[in-house]
Formats: sequence, structure tokens, C-alpha cells
Amino acid sequence: AQTVTQSQPEMSVQEAETVTLSCTYDTSENNYYLFWYKQPPSRQMILVIRQEAYKQQNATENRFSVNFQKAAKSFSLKISDSQLGDTAMYFCAFIPVSGTYKYIFGTGTRLKVLA
Amino acid sequence: DSGVTQTPKHLITATGQRVTLRCSPRSGDLSVYWYQQSLDQGLQFLIQYYNGEERAKGNILERFSAQQFPDLHSELNLSSLELGDSALYFCASSPPPGSPANEQFFGPGTRLTVL
Repeated sequence: AQTVTQSQPEMSVQEAETVTLSCTYDTSENNYYLFWYKQPPSRQMILVIRQEAYKQQNATENRFSVNFQKAAKSFSLKISDSQLGDTAMYFCAFIPVSGTYKYIFGTGTRLKVLA
Repeated sequence: DSGVTQTPKHLITATGQRVTLRCSPRSGDLSVYWYQQSLDQGLQFLIQYYNGEERAKGNILERFSAQQFPDLHSELNLSSLELGDSALYFCASSPPPGSPANEQFFGPGTRLTVL
């Protein structure tokens, strides 16, 4: 079975500091996509960043970057220069290219940015 | 704005009642997904439709049912409601397989309160 594990239920970081959220997944698929979604207190789900498994280069979006380790099945999210607006729940998600096209979400990491 | 619309935004009803939640996917998206999120919990996948057909099923109760119509909008029906059904219900849509973008686009959610 395909699973996504986020082992850090809660984290906190000082404003302007850097924080890394971890995510591991389990799959026998070779081609898939990985995502990080952010859910702020408004509860809207917002895509933060996406990574295609066949691309070795780590994705970056402004202050957000990932460390994708395919062999280790690890997909961590690094937030640089943390801002108060980054306070949110962060979900890691996985989807294989083939099959039912069903997305698998982790249980989430609640991040609090402290002033 | 993700392009996915959900109505109503809020719904308050009593135990034993039946409600219908509605979702319109982004233009061009064929897949619709339904998720349940209880307070401070992760996303619970309920069901997925692709171009009118059920594609994958998650932990959806027998009291719940869904369908996707020819115009691709979807409805989630919840019957014999219980207090524990109070949650935020998300609809998401995604482009067809093989499209450049593969992420899910989430609607704003319907907040259901069962009294």
C-alpha cells in the first residue's frame, strides 16, 4: 500500500529563521508526483510546491524549497526567512502517474511562526 | 481563487437529517475528489469520480453517497446525519492524466454543523 508519513505533528520557528518539515512515503511506483499543501487558519488548501519524481533537481518556489531524495523516499520542505503568514498546517501528498490517480495525503504538520 | 466552487459555504442541520453538498470543478478538469476534515484533523479521502464514473473509494460511510453529472459537477449526499459528521467537506478537482499540471485544486469547503 502507498503511504505518506509526516512524523512531526507540530513545529515552531522564530520569524526570519529557517525550518524544515519532513515527509516520507512508501511506493513501488517509479513515476509519481509529490506536493506540499498549506492550510492556513482560513482552512483553504493552497499548493505550496510540487516535485516530479523523474526530475532530480529539487523544486523551489521563492522562500520554499524541497529536498527530494528518491532512493530514501524522502520529500522535506524547507521554509526560509519564515514569516508570520507561514503559520499553517502543512500536508505532504503523493500521487502515482499510473493507476487510479488517487492522491495520498500525510496527516499534516502544524507550523507556528513566532514573532 | 482555485476555480473550484462549492456550495453552500456553511450548513447547519439537525441529527437524522439529509443534506447535499455541491461542487463544480475547474473548467477542463475531469476528476472530482471529496474529502472530510474534522476539527484539527487531517484530510480523510471519501471518494473520487472521473468523467462521471466512480474511480476510487476511501473511508466513505454507507450513509454517504456521491455522483458526478454529465456537466462534471458533483454532489455529495449525507443522510441520517450524526453529531460526528460535523466537519469541513472539501471538493477538489484535477486535470486529466498526462496534463502538465497534476496537482489537486481545492474548493473553499463546506462547513457542516450537525446539532
